[in-house]
Amino acid sequence: AQKVTQAQTEISVVEKEDVTLDCVYETRDTTYYLFWYKQPPSGELVFLIRRNSFDEQNEISGRYSWNFQKSTSSFNFTITASQVVDSAVYFCALSESGAGSYQLTFGKGTKLSVIP
Amino acid sequence: EAQVTQNPRYLITVTGKKLTVTCSQNMNHEYMSWYRQDPGLGLRQIYYSMNVEVTDKGDVPEGYKVSRKEKRNFPLILESPSPNQTSLYFCASSLSGRQEAFFGQGTRLTVV
Repeated sequence: AQKVTQAQTEISVVEKEDVTLDCVYETRDTTYYLFWYKQPPSGELVFLIRRNSFDEQNEISGRYSWNFQKSTSSFNFTITASQVVDSAVYFCALSESGAGSYQLTFGKGTKLSVIP
Repeated sequence: EAQVTQNPRYLITVTGKKLTVTCSQNMNHEYMSWYRQDPGLGLRQIYYSMNVEVTDKGDVPEGYKVSRKEKRNFPLILESPSPNQTSLYFCASSLSGRQEAFFGQGTRLTVV
């Protein structure tokens, strides 16, 4: 069975600090997809990034970057120069989506508080 | 505007009174699913559907029913709600299991 672990329940940083959110996953499939979602205090779920298991390139989008390492089954998310608007709960998720099934498994989330 | 719409946004009901939470998407997505979010547990998949008339259980299906008679709609039915079903519910849709899911605004359900 697939599993996603976000060991950090809550993190507090001061504005402009860098912060890394950890995500470790377990799966038996060789083909899988990893996602990060953001849930701001308003409650909606916002898609941030998708990565498939064959693409280990790191990605940068503005202040956000993601480090995918198959060797350690990790897909970590770094926010550079954090801002108050980054305060949210962040979820890592894994989809195996084999033939005939669709399972999207979420970690328990990391609540990030950015203090001005 | 591409969106997933859930109704109602908030609902307080009593134990045992059947209720339905509606979900509709306008993106012609094949896949739809329901999740519940509870403090400290993250989001857990209740049911999913890969196409019209094709539904299957997720991780926590007990006490819930779904149907997919049309591609755009995927209602969640609680035949006899109980207090342990008090939660925040999200509907989502995606083109496939390989693509990102788009989520509705959420339905906060309280069963007393």
